[in-house]
Amino acid sequence: RKEVEQDPGPFNVPEGATVAFNCTYSNSASQSFFWYRQDCRKEPKLLMSVYSSGNEDGRFTAQLNRASQYISLLIRDSKLSDSATYLCVVNRIKAAGNKLTFGGGTRVLVKP
Amino acid sequence: NAGVMQNPRHLVRRRGQEARLRCSPMKGHSHVYWYRQLPEEGLKFMVYLQKENIIDESGMPKERFSAEFPKEGPSILRIQQVVRGDSAAYFCASSPGGNDQPQHFGDGTRLSIL
Repeated sequence: RKEVEQDPGPFNVPEGATVAFNCTYSNSASQSFFWYRQDCRKEPKLLMSVYSSGNEDGRFTAQLNRASQYISLLIRDSKLSDSATYLCVVNRIKAAGNKLTFGGGTRVLVKP
Repeated sequence: NAGVMQNPRHLVRRRGQEARLRCSPMKGHSHVYWYRQLPEEGLKFMVYLQKENIIDESGMPKERFSAEFPKEGPSILRIQQVVRGDSAAYFCASSPGGNDQPQHFGDGTRLSIL
């Protein structure tokens, strides 16, 4: 089983609609969580950190469910520019430092 | 430019040659990470370095790959005797340290092996 799993999609979303997708992680020792977005052939860019209480940044809402070991991302009022691959990222802190573990990404295509 | 700087953006090598990829972290960041992304795949962690120290190299192939982050200058990812399977995008990220700090990525180096 992969350490971080995502539905690869694509999620085809009409412009203005809401889309949500999850990411599951297998290691209960995971301690911090992020969503990054990656456009085709570009570098990953931090979208938002995910906090235990859930957090919102404009049209984006992230939730963390530690009991079921998943995080979610919801995008409201989708824009064409939201088309990208969304990477779920888990940080497992070890004594010697930390490293990010990336999911394979969920592809979102927003269409007019 | 205060972001993570990687160079070159594109690198072409023939099989058997050496590839050197450079990464300068964001100003104030002392932690550097290297990731590899194969075509149509996700990012895979390779190595985590602080100045003059390798902290975690659990994702590095056992042979031909090495990384350093000297006291002065950029971090270097070195691939010796490259093979076709080394063709990928190599991304560098940096963070200021701290266990829950997000990492910020450079534009990446696209390595192509002929």
